Amino acid sequence: SQQGEEDPQALSIQEGENATMNCSYKTSINNLQWYRQNSGRGLVHLILIRSNEREKHSGRLRVTLDTSKKSSSLLITASRAADTASYFCATGPNTGNQFYFGTGTSLTVIP
Amino acid sequence: DGGITQSPKYLFRKEGQNVTLSCEQNLNHDAMYWYRQDPGQGLRLIYYSQIVNDFQKGDIAEGYSVSREKKESFPLTVTSAQKNPTAFYLCASRSRVNTEAFFGQGTRLTVV
Repeated sequence: SQQGEEDPQALSIQEGENATMNCSYKTSINNLQWYRQNSGRGLVHLILIRSNEREKHSGRLRVTLDTSKKSSSLLITASRAADTASYFCATGPNTGNQFYFGTGTSLTVIP
Repeated sequence: DGGITQSPKYLFRKEGQNVTLSCEQNLNHDAMYWYRQDPGQGLRLIYYSQIVNDFQKGDIAEGYSVSREKKESFPLTVTSAQKNPTAFYLCASRSRVNTEAFFGQGTRLTVV
């Protein structure tokens, strides 16, 4: 399987704190994407970082990518209760159109 | 509105029956995907299709079948050969490699 892994599997923080999730993957990639899933729903795209980028920001989201370590991190700053969800990283190989997701981090933000 | 639609939202299957999950998109996307998600788990790739009349197996294709006769449609059949079909099934599409994927809202299949 080419599925990646997120770490930690579960994270619980107080509202206002920052949340950091990590993703490790196995293949060479063109880009890495992060998605969010509310309970029982489909996934929603958050941010894409290309293999030649090291850091990217979008609102309260900050993503880093280290291709030498095959890892990425997602930082959510000043978390809100509405950020409670599962977060997944996704990668595709350099060739072909497969699209693989990690195992996910379940984030709970306590009001 | 553009989007990707899965139906039904909930589906119950008797043991030994085949069932078909629908996935339709009006985004004009070439690639479509089916994933299975078990409780508290990540997404596992069942099948994917890059163009009409072509599809490839993912990591867990056994017991499943698909067709891609139209660009906008990618139905998934869960056959009686799938021994543990109870799961949440997600369909996705994207326009080309290196772009974001759009997901449907999922179908929850339960064997009764």
